[in-house]
This record gives sequence, structure tokens and C-alpha cells, in this order.
Amino acid sequence: ETGVTQTPRHLVMGMTNKKSLKCEQHLGHNAMYWYKQSAKKPLELMFVYNFKEQTENNSVPSRFSPECPNSSHLFLHLHTLQPEDSALYLCASSQDLATSWDTEAFFGQGTRLTVV
Amino acid sequence: GQQVMQIPQYQHVQEGEDFTTYCNSSTTLSNIQWYKQRPGGHPVFLIQLVKSGEVKKQKRLTFQFGEAKKNSSLHITATQTTDVGTYFCAGGGSQGNLIFGKGTKLSVKP
Repeated sequence: ETGVTQTPRHLVMGMTNKKSLKCEQHLGHNAMYWYKQSAKKPLELMFVYNFKEQTENNSVPSRFSPECPNSSHLFLHLHTLQPEDSALYLCASSQDLATSWDTEAFFGQGTRLTVV
Repeated sequence: GQQVMQIPQYQHVQEGEDFTTYCNSSTTLSNIQWYKQRPGGHPVFLIQLVKSGEVKKQKRLTFQFGEAKKNSSLHITATQTTDVGTYFCAGGGSQGNLIFGKGTKLSVKP
């Protein structure tokens, strides 16, 4: 185990559904990330939070809404998704944003999302 | 924006053969990290290189960071079936985030 836990591991949802992905880390890290991994575009960075503040949003559609209530928890709220949003969604954390003297990212096991 | 290119996309080798994956950035990187993702798994950190020209070894794996800090390589000597997976490089971007390459998927034929 990496210390980063994601739930659920698998999720099937309809295009009109609302669901949330959860990520939890107890590593004392300050930075948390959401990545999307699909066959076409491996490891796309979606959102970055540092000290609970969102620092980056890589032009992600508004149907994805992140929430970081504290430095240990990160959510990704999903609403009216499209079939092309089906992918593996990975959460990661690191001590701080990756700078030259900094540490690695610890990934959760991911949520395999299928939109039908 | 900043990009990290990784080649090859796929590599099929016979067990015992060597394997190398290359990573190139359009800009100078603050650091380079390497990750391995087993089939069905999640990326797991292997190593971080920070200094220009740095070389690090982990058993059969050799990691290099270029002098200009724009390229890196991972070389595996005498591959084994346990080496199967996708290897990603990730560079430290100017905004402090990690920029991942698309990965090299390695398959090893016993």
C-alpha cells in the first residue's frame, strides 16, 4: 500500500448520474493531485491542490468538480459525464509541489470509471 | 506549454535482452523522476535525479540525467519477466508540478 487510498475502485455510472470519487492520504503530504489515465492520453494532470488551495486546473470540463476540504482528503465530483470520460482516475500526493529538492508522488490504486 | 516526450511507446524484448527508454523535454527540468506501472496497477516511484549529468543505479536499472537537464534515460540490463510494465518519466515543471511522459510499455517474452 502506498498510503493513498481511493474509493471506489470501480464505478459504472450513467450520463445523467452524479457521483463522487474519494481520495485519502495519511502521509502528512501537502500537495494532492487528480490524474486521468486513458489509452489515448496516459496520465493527464487534471487538478493540483497545495495546502488545500487549488493551484492548477488544466482546462478540465466543468462536469468534473474537485473539492479539497483538508490536506488529507480530496474529492472529484462527477456530473453529466460523457462516455469518453471513461478512464482510470488516479489520485496522488506529494510532500509539496515537485521541485528540484522534493519528493516523489505517491499514487492511489485508482478508480476505474465507466460511463454508459 | 512544457512537454515531456518519451520513446519508444512500445518495446517487446526477449528475456535476457537489454531495454532502454528515453525521455526528452522542450525546456530545462528542475528534476526528473521515473515511475513503473505494472499491468492493472498504479504508478510507483522508482527514482529521482536532480543534478546535471547524474547517473544512478538500482540493481539492473541505470538512470541518467542529461548534462543540459533536458533529457533522461532508463536502461534495464538483462530483462526479466518481472520487468513487464509501463515506465514513465516525469519532469519537474516551472510551476512545480510533475509533467509525465506518455510512457514506454515493456513486454518481455520468456
